[in-house]
Amino acid sequence: DQQVKQNSPSLSVQEGRISILNCDYTNSMFDYFLWYKKYPAEGPTFLISISSIKDKNEDGRFTVFLNKSAKHLSLHIVPSQPGDSAVYFCAASPGHLTGAGSYQLTFGKGTKLSVIP
Amino acid sequence: DSGVTQTPKHLITATGQRVTLRCSPRSGDLSVYWYQQSLDQGLQFLIHYYNGEERAKGNILERFSAQQFPDLHSELNLSSLELGDSALYFCASSVAISMNTEAFFGQGTRLTVV
Repeated sequence: DQQVKQNSPSLSVQEGRISILNCDYTNSMFDYFLWYKKYPAEGPTFLISISSIKDKNEDGRFTVFLNKSAKHLSLHIVPSQPGDSAVYFCAASPGHLTGAGSYQLTFGKGTKLSVIP
Repeated sequence: DSGVTQTPKHLITATGQRVTLRCSPRSGDLSVYWYQQSLDQGLQFLIHYYNGEERAKGNILERFSAQQFPDLHSELNLSSLELGDSALYFCASSVAISMNTEAFFGQGTRLTVV
């Protein structure tokens, strides 16, 4: 049973346009969500996170939106750049708000983003 | 460079064999996490060690075991290997148990069982 789902295995976007990557979760105990970026032959790199007490978090070109009622989050990249081409993983963890959260993360399968110059 | 070092980068071995994967965390990091990424799958949490003690187990098989040594490096031991154990194995480290600080991932060890 997949608790974190990324239903789009791949996404192609023109350089300069917006990339929107989606993620759905089923476990109501998740209260902290992270996005990781992964290039080939490298480990995942932390990109941005959001606590369940927020509905939006921004960091430069990257914004994560959380809709708790729909159990859905999305990552927006504006503007998209060729260097953003990578696999993006959505991950979730419970216990953050109680201080018990740790990096025992539940990951989605990833979405491969290709930004076309 | 995340500062987390995993060795070896690649490993090819036969079914039934035993291998040891090694992880050196970032300097000062006390927590080490192991993840497995099989083909077309997300990363699956295996086990977490903090300052030498096991803190949590995920979907880790009985044939697999891990430990964290006094110098804080960690080893993941995989025995009686099966074809389905072929995967990328990642180690991540963080300063604390909780999520107050970021976790950093190593480059992974690609295990191929033939």
